[in-house]
Amino acid sequence: AQKITQTQPGMFVQEKEAVTLDCTYDTSDPSYGLFWYKQPSSGEMIFLIYQGSYDQQNATEGRYSLNFQKARKSANLVISASQLGDSAMYFCAMREGQEFADSWGKFQFGAGTQVVVTP
Amino acid sequence: KAGVTQTPRYLIKTRGQQVTLSCSPISGHRSVSWYQQTPGQGLQFLFEYFSETQRNKGNFPGRFSGRQFSNSRSEMNVSTLELGDSALYLCASSLGSGRPNSPLHFGNGTRLTVT
Repeated sequence: AQKITQTQPGMFVQEKEAVTLDCTYDTSDPSYGLFWYKQPSSGEMIFLIYQGSYDQQNATEGRYSLNFQKARKSANLVISASQLGDSAMYFCAMREGQEFADSWGKFQFGAGTQVVVTP
Repeated sequence: KAGVTQTPRYLIKTRGQQVTLSCSPISGHRSVSWYQQTPGQGLQFLFEYFSETQRNKGNFPGRFSGRQFSNSRSEMNVSTLELGDSALYLCASSLGSGRPNSPLHFGNGTRLTVT
């Protein structure tokens, strides 16, 4: 069963506007981490932001923020003030696991959302 | 700090051959994971190694194998190559401390083309 769902295959956004990328996840593990990655056309995967299941506040990293709604199992990425360099594929990922446990789950990635920023 | 290094960057092989890809993790990272990325299937998990032991495995045939050395460097081997093995192979390292908050750091990938 798909554990990470990204329902937006692609979207256009104008420069300087904000954009929200949707991500829902499925887990019964109380301990998990949620991650967002960016993959430009050059191919490298760049880590953007992390949200832990026990974190009370939404994570923020510069222009990136994560809208974490635990009850809805939703972890949407918000990019504020879009720039042309934000054009890329964005992946949501989850890893289940107990802190300090000897074993933990593998990273699971969504299908990605292609973002194109236009001038 | 040097990032994750994957070699080679590009490979062209013939169906039936075998190939070995190499990955050097970030210094201090003990976990190495491998992913296959194709336009049709997206990012698919191959396997993860931690302290020379395979900790997790994806749903790939036995032709795909890997190992990790004592210095945390990892290799991935694909035997009897098929046309469908053409893909971008990404290696990623992490602290692997058991904490779910340890992110993956990816290399630039090896693009394998099977003809």
